[in-house]
Amino acid sequence: GAVVSQHPSWVICKSGTSVKIECRSLDFQATTMFWYRQFPKQSLMLMATSNEGSKATYEQGVEKDKFLINHASLTLSTLTVTSAHPEDSSFYICSASLRGLGEQFFGPGTRLTVL
Amino acid sequence: GENVEQHPSTLSVQEGDSAVIKCTYSDSASNYFPWYKQELGKGPQLIIDIRSNVGEKKDQRIAVTLNKTAKHFSLHITETQPEDSAVYFCAALAGTSYGKLTFGQGTILTVHP
Repeated sequence: GAVVSQHPSWVICKSGTSVKIECRSLDFQATTMFWYRQFPKQSLMLMATSNEGSKATYEQGVEKDKFLINHASLTLSTLTVTSAHPEDSSFYICSASLRGLGEQFFGPGTRLTVL
Repeated sequence: GENVEQHPSTLSVQEGDSAVIKCTYSDSASNYFPWYKQELGKGPQLIIDIRSNVGEKKDQRIAVTLNKTAKHFSLHITETQPEDSAVYFCAALAGTSYGKLTFGQGTILTVHP
């Protein structure tokens, strides 16, 4: 099956700093990547949809200036949490999708802890 | 927009028993229904999916059924094993959603040895 990686798997940072999370599709070209946030014992909350070469589409209530998404190639998307605060601490998961097929393949997730 | 309801929220079974998780969806335009398994601290893993032109799909101990008229679909796990213990999520994809999945609330499955 399709493999998606994320880096780092976990990160601890101080309040006010920025953190970048990478999402890569390793064995296929992903036309679309999605970024999710998941709180403990809850479902996945879609933050934004990212298409290669175009601006990301953010879900209602997600601050685009705080969560910067770049999808520079068909195999790489990045999420940058700017000026992180403790309330940004969460499990961030990306997924990648092949055009028109519907299937989304998820990365292993990144645990962000902001002190 | 699409709304997906998943039941039960928790399910406890004995090893060897069957487990069934049910989901209902609201958008009749939805045409793709995946199921994901998520283990603690990991990303969701696609375990089986079904498209709206099929009523049932099976892969070894896992099967999914779809009732388009009633707008519900179910995951069936037979001969459960302790390693099946995880959180399971259903999801639905509407043709007009630009590829966005709508997820159910999740079911915590515990298989007791």
